[in-house]
Amino acid sequence: QKEVEQDPGPLSVPEGAIVSLNCTYSNSAFQYFMWYRQYSRKGPELLMYTYSSGNKEDGRFTAQVDKSSKYISLFIRDSQPSDSATYLCAMISPSINFGNEKLTFGTGTRLTIIP
Amino acid sequence: KAGVTQTPRYLIKTRGQQVTLSCSPISGHRSVSWYQQTPGQGLQFLFEYFSETQRNKGNFPGRFSGRQFSNSRSEMNVSTLELGDSALYLCASSFGRAPYNEQFFGPGTRLTVL
Repeated sequence: QKEVEQDPGPLSVPEGAIVSLNCTYSNSAFQYFMWYRQYSRKGPELLMYTYSSGNKEDGRFTAQVDKSSKYISLFIRDSQPSDSATYLCAMISPSINFGNEKLTFGTGTRLTIIP
Repeated sequence: KAGVTQTPRYLIKTRGQQVTLSCSPISGHRSVSWYQQTPGQGLQFLFEYFSETQRNKGNFPGRFSGRQFSNSRSEMNVSTLELGDSALYLCASSFGRAPYNEQFFGPGTRLTVL
């Protein structure tokens, strides 16, 4: 079982719809949760970064973390064709040796917004 | 400010060969991390270099190695290539140590092993 599970999709929704993207994780020690967006033939870029349980909003994007359920979500409101990309969740794996933490990624969800 | 650049963008090699990939970080960034991205496994951390020293390493065999130069540019080497090494190799730079400092990714090098 992977430490971070993410539905690969693909997910297609009409323009203007609300999109919900989700990841689950198995290690309760994970902290610092991130969402990256990756356009075709590009590297990932950081969208959202959060630490605690709860919601964090940035424009049309809302990141939600539920540590008790080991579940994180990214919501996109008023989706646009330019939001079509692969979305990857990521979280920092703790380490007993400080400095050995690393990012663990989900496999990504491919999203297409249909005009 | 120029972003992270990677060369070459595409590579085709045969099994048993070796390959060297190059990464130029954002000016002023001292950390360079390397990742392997495949459809089945997603993005997996290879290693991080900071101030010319490998500071962190993922679970990859010793065939994968790297180095960092005094100007923070980094190279990654894969020896004795296997079919399963076909992947997109991404490097990411950050001002301070990853992963707590924001990492900026390059466009990647697409390696195909035949």
